Formats: sequence, structure tokens, C-alpha cells
Amino acid sequence: EAGVAQSPRYKIIEKRQSVAFWCNPISGHATLYWYQQILGQGPKLLIQFQNNGVVDDSQLPKDRFSAERLKGVDSTLKIQPAKLEDSAVYLCASRPNRDTGELFFGEGSRLTVL
Amino acid sequence: GQQVMQIPQYQHVQEGEDFTTYCNSSTTLSNIQWYKQRPGGHPVFLIQLVKSGEVKKQKRLTFQFGEAKKNSSLHITATQTTDVGTYFCAGEGYSEFGNEKLTFGTGTRLTIIP
Repeated sequence: EAGVAQSPRYKIIEKRQSVAFWCNPISGHATLYWYQQILGQGPKLLIQFQNNGVVDDSQLPKDRFSAERLKGVDSTLKIQPAKLEDSAVYLCASRPNRDTGELFFGEGSRLTVL
Repeated sequence: GQQVMQIPQYQHVQEGEDFTTYCNSSTTLSNIQWYKQRPGGHPVFLIQLVKSGEVKKQKRLTFQFGEAKKNSSLHITATQTTDVGTYFCAGEGYSEFGNEKLTFGTGTRLTIIP
């Protein structure tokens, strides 16, 4: 079974530029999450999707971050414009349905903002 | 909102010694999960606890869920170099919006002195 795919693995941009990350969850997984993990901290939930609907985006900085999962499969997370404090690993995770068991994480996309 | 804290933040042990990390939630949880993240890697699921007072074992790892379903612990007996990494608890509880939300703890970073 293929795992959660993320790209790109690494990205370096200047502040005020934009960046987009892509995630393809495990086939059939209805629930998809984007987490931000700053070095030395635990993953912080940015947004949770159930199929193509948003369940929770309360911690997403909506003035600069956006995310979509238009067809209920893969998802894109965008940052525009980026700030220095956005330097982090962006982790995508999925599970078959919300409230059911483990999250399967992708390898993550490491963003450095200069 | 829900907060999940872990102590200690760091733990250095001699190989063969025991290790324990403690997890405390500000709210009652429906379940708690534990993840391990190796340096440079992504979180990998270890176990889920659901019942009040539940204890589960995986070889040298023992996981406990508190009676009030607000705290948990992970104990590793006779640590090995392969145990190196950061251990996160993740508590699932209802957010202020009524959805189940998985909140990661602050993590305990374990290093082993050979």
C-alpha cells in the first residue's frame, strides 16, 4: 500500500514570496490533515479536511495561508506572502475516517524562509 | 483550547536504563495516541489507548491512560540505542467547534548514552 506522498521535500524562499505544498493521502482515506512542525516543537494542526470539506481551520493564519482539497483526494497548502516565522516542516497526514485510529504521516516538506 | 503538555522535555539515559515520559491534557480525552519521531523523520504511530485506566504493552514499552482520561505515560524498560527519538502523545478530544481534534503534546526527546 502506497503511503502519504508529499512534495516538494525541501523549499527555500525569500520572505514575502509564495510557496505551495502538495499532498496525496493514502487511497480511500477520507480525513486529511496539515500540521506545521517548528524545530523542537510538536506538530500543530493547521487544517483538517473530511473528504472535500473543512472540519477545523481554527489555527490556520488565514491572512496568508490557504488550503484546498477540491475533489476530496489530494490537497494543496499555500503560503502567500511567507514570513520568517513560517520556517518549519509541513506535515500531511491521513486516516480512513475521523475518530478512527492512527494518523499516517508523509515525509514532510521542509520550508526555509530567508 | 485544548492543550497537551509533556514532561520532561529532554531525557538523557545510559543504555540499559529505564525511561518514562508523562503527558497531561487540559481537557478530558476520548482517546490518546503515542507517536515516535526519529531525528529528521516524521511521526510514526505506536499505540492508541481508549479506556479509562487502560494499560498496554509492546515488548519493552508500557503505555498507561489515566482514570480521568486526562493523562498518560509511556515507560521504556532497558533502553536501547534504537529507542532514540522524540516521543509525542496526541490527545483526541472535542474542540470548541464540536469536532474531534487530535492535539499533539510538546514531546520528550530521548537520547541514549552508549
